[in-house]
Amino acid sequence: GAGVSQSPRYKVAKRGQDVALRCDPISGHVSLFWYQQALGQGPEFLTYFQNEAQLDKSGLPSDRFFAERPEGSVSTLKIQRTQQEDSAVYLCASSPRSGGGSSYEQYFGPGTRLTVT
Amino acid sequence: LAKTTQPISMDSYEGQEVNITCSHNNIATNDYITWYQQFPSQGPRFIIQGYKTKVTNEVASLFIPADRKSSTLSLPRVSLSDTAVYYCLVGSFSSGSARQLTFGSGTQLTVLP
Repeated sequence: GAGVSQSPRYKVAKRGQDVALRCDPISGHVSLFWYQQALGQGPEFLTYFQNEAQLDKSGLPSDRFFAERPEGSVSTLKIQRTQQEDSAVYLCASSPRSGGGSSYEQYFGPGTRLTVT
Repeated sequence: LAKTTQPISMDSYEGQEVNITCSHNNIATNDYITWYQQFPSQGPRFIIQGYKTKVTNEVASLFIPADRKSSTLSLPRVSLSDTAVYYCLVGSFSSGSARQLTFGSGTQLTVLP
């Protein structure tokens, strides 16, 4: 079946521009995650949704970062007034897990590479 | 917040067994340990997950000691296509709460012919 998809795959933004990154999770997956991966580093957690509820946004680096999942499926990560330090790959992952007793396995998309010039 | 530490790189030869260890001294009671494989320009791919003792699947084994402060991913008989970055992830999430999920810095495994 279809995996997690992300769009666009590549985005170049000028400093100060706003960007929106889209994630289409696997159909029926309850949980959705956003991660930021800098070059040569491991992914860093940004935020977590269960259905439409954003249960954890402690990893968002500043109030310029905003994520939403209004209908509990597609999610958008928005970055306002982009800065050069925002350049990274943004990964989305989904999981069928909604409560105790099942795997914590996450299924990752290919990521969106954001370059801020 | 569980901090994880892994070796930066490892080299191996085809057909050998490879063991990669991850340290996670601050692991919490509810945290699970998951290992992922990542190729360039791709998202991480699930390998194996465990809570304690030993877990084995068709591609790997995961060893977790009783104190759970470390874990070891074992890849039997590696091939050239196993060349990738391997990450351990410590954390958990549920319907009632969310716990920040921490990836290690990754181990670049290079398999040589």
